[in-house]
Amino acid sequence: SQTIHQWPATLVQPVGSPLSLECTVEGTSNPNLYWYRQAAGRGLQLLFYSVGIGQISSEVPQNLSASRPQDRQFILSSKKLLLSDSGFYLCAWSAYWGAHGYTFGSGTRLTVV
Amino acid sequence: GQQVMQIPQYQHVQEGEDFTTYCNSSTTLSNIQWYKQRPGGHPVFLIQLVKSGEVKKQKRLTFQFGEAKKNSSLHITATQTTDVGTYFCAGPNNNAGNMLTFGGGTRLMVKP
Repeated sequence: SQTIHQWPATLVQPVGSPLSLECTVEGTSNPNLYWYRQAAGRGLQLLFYSVGIGQISSEVPQNLSASRPQDRQFILSSKKLLLSDSGFYLCAWSAYWGAHGYTFGSGTRLTVV
Repeated sequence: GQQVMQIPQYQHVQEGEDFTTYCNSSTTLSNIQWYKQRPGGHPVFLIQLVKSGEVKKQKRLTFQFGEAKKNSSLHITATQTTDVGTYFCAGPNNNAGNMLTFGGGTRLMVKP
């Protein structure tokens, strides 16, 4: 069966510090991968998506970046965090045809102080 | 661009009352998906509807896809405290079919 792992679960980082969040998927190959951010009590904002290794599309211009160094690994990064980067970050995967919806990771709650 | 809107944004109900959330898309959708996010948790896929006018049931949850495939609803009969959470609808992005456009969600609170 397919599983998705996301870590860390919580993170408190000072303004201006770097960020690296990792997401890995097991049990499937060539998944579509996504990074979402959710502000407290709000909806899901798509940040990046990837359909293959090295292929990244950005939906929202910001100081975040994403990389996909391996087929089942998706990394969200920042060189310098801003207070506005605080939020709940969710990684998700879907099969190419998307028939079974998105499977989300358990999320990383990031607080920038 | 494509928009998916949900109403209401919040709903408080007494345990045992029914609940309905509505989802409307600015464009025709090939399918509609529904997700549930428990407080502090991550969204979990509930169901996908594909056919015009389709109705699917999962125990006390009834999902409908409109005839024009631009709207959908989720109805919960006799809510329980375990139904608490935010319900999101989502439809494929017209420009990139593997991407979903999510509605803003309806947060359901149930008073015991």
